[in-house]
Amino acid sequence: GAGVSQTPSNKVTEKGKYVELRCDPISGHTALYWYRQSLGQGPEFLIYFQGTGAADDSGLPNDRFFAVRPEGSVSTLKIQRTERGDSAVYLCASSLGGGVDTQYFGPGTRLTVL
Amino acid sequence: ELKVEQNPLFLSMQEGKNYTIYCNYSTTSDRLYWYRQDPGKSLESLFVLLSNGAVKQEGRLMASLDTKARLSTLHITAAVHDLSATYFCAVDIKTSGSRLTFGEGTQLTVNP
Repeated sequence: GAGVSQTPSNKVTEKGKYVELRCDPISGHTALYWYRQSLGQGPEFLIYFQGTGAADDSGLPNDRFFAVRPEGSVSTLKIQRTERGDSAVYLCASSLGGGVDTQYFGPGTRLTVL
Repeated sequence: ELKVEQNPLFLSMQEGKNYTIYCNYSTTSDRLYWYRQDPGKSLESLFVLLSNGAVKQEGRLMASLDTKARLSTLHITAAVHDLSATYFCAVDIKTSGSRLTFGEGTQLTVNP
């Protein structure tokens, strides 16, 4: 079946602009996660949704970052007033129900802030 | 704060040789995951280890978990070039819900 998909695959923006990154989880997966991966590092947790609600948003670095999942499926990560330090690959993952279920990752969105 | 450390971070080995990657973590957990990442690609799940003493094998890779030592190992047997990739271990602890904390990754290169 279809895996996790993310759009766009690449996004180049200028410092100070607003960006939205989209994630389509595997159908039927109730848990959705966002991570950020910098070059040469492991992914860092940003936020976790169970259904429509953010169960854990403690990884969001500051209030410029926000994520929604209004219907419990597709999620959008929103970054306001982008900074050069936001440049990274943003990964989305989904799992059947959270907990011990394996997280399946999407291909990522490479964000470059000039 | 949960810390996950892998070693080595870089590993160059010849085809046919055996080697082990180590993953240490700082807080009690009984849930550990191994992922593989090819350059420019996303993460592929390899193993899920859910209890002390768990051992799982797939092809030339075998993973084990010792929760008392807070240590997991990924053993590579008779390496082949196709195993060249970056390998990550990741841990989650019940108090953190379902968030994964990843190690820095081990970049494995298998030379002919």
